[in-house]
Amino acid sequence: GAGVSQTPSNKVTEKGKYVELRCDPISGHTALYWYRQSLGQGPEFLIYFQGTGAADDSGLPNDRFFAVRPEGSVSTLKIQRTERGDSAVYLCASSADRVTEAFFGQGTRLTVV
Amino acid sequence: QKEVEQDPGPLSVPEGAIVSLNCTYSNSAFQYFMWYRQYSRKGPELLMYTYSSGNKEDGRFTAQVDKSSKYISLFIRDSQPSDSATYLCAMSGTGFQKLVFGTGTRLLVSP
Repeated sequence: GAGVSQTPSNKVTEKGKYVELRCDPISGHTALYWYRQSLGQGPEFLIYFQGTGAADDSGLPNDRFFAVRPEGSVSTLKIQRTERGDSAVYLCASSADRVTEAFFGQGTRLTVV
Repeated sequence: QKEVEQDPGPLSVPEGAIVSLNCTYSNSAFQYFMWYRQYSRKGPELLMYTYSSGNKEDGRFTAQVDKSSKYISLFIRDSQPSDSATYLCAMSGTGFQKLVFGTGTRLLVSP
């Protein structure tokens, strides 16, 4: 596809469960970003990948959150022991490099019940 | 205090009006200033970005940055109902690497 693809579009999980959120960036984009957007708020930075490595993970709220990008393309955001406060829209974006425009996907809406 | 402050609105205007959207910020290290538009249940879409101070125009949209006042603005001329969306300002010290967003202003343009 031409844009950033995120799956699933919606995810409902029970408190305490483990979830994985997937991001397929635009082909050839080396930079990939994860953000979290709570209701009525702007997106909040979580982590930035340059290639396969996490160049900046300072936005991950705690050690329940982890993200990987093993082959420098698809990325997975993993959340362990989910809490109700993790409910939000998780947005992924990619760019050709860190100084050119980042394109966002439509997000995964996570609801923890 | 948040690094970036933005009035959440909603801002309601009639079609054809000039719209002014604003953000203030506190971090003097910010060099890149962006405006995103976000429709309901969609991801943010970049409208414009500016490096450092000055003005930038693109069609009906004009972005202004005043670093001395730590104040940025987006003007929309001849507003259309299709402009109804949430407008997010975003900033960073290093390109698109780690954006700090405002809360977003919800704009409603009525026919």
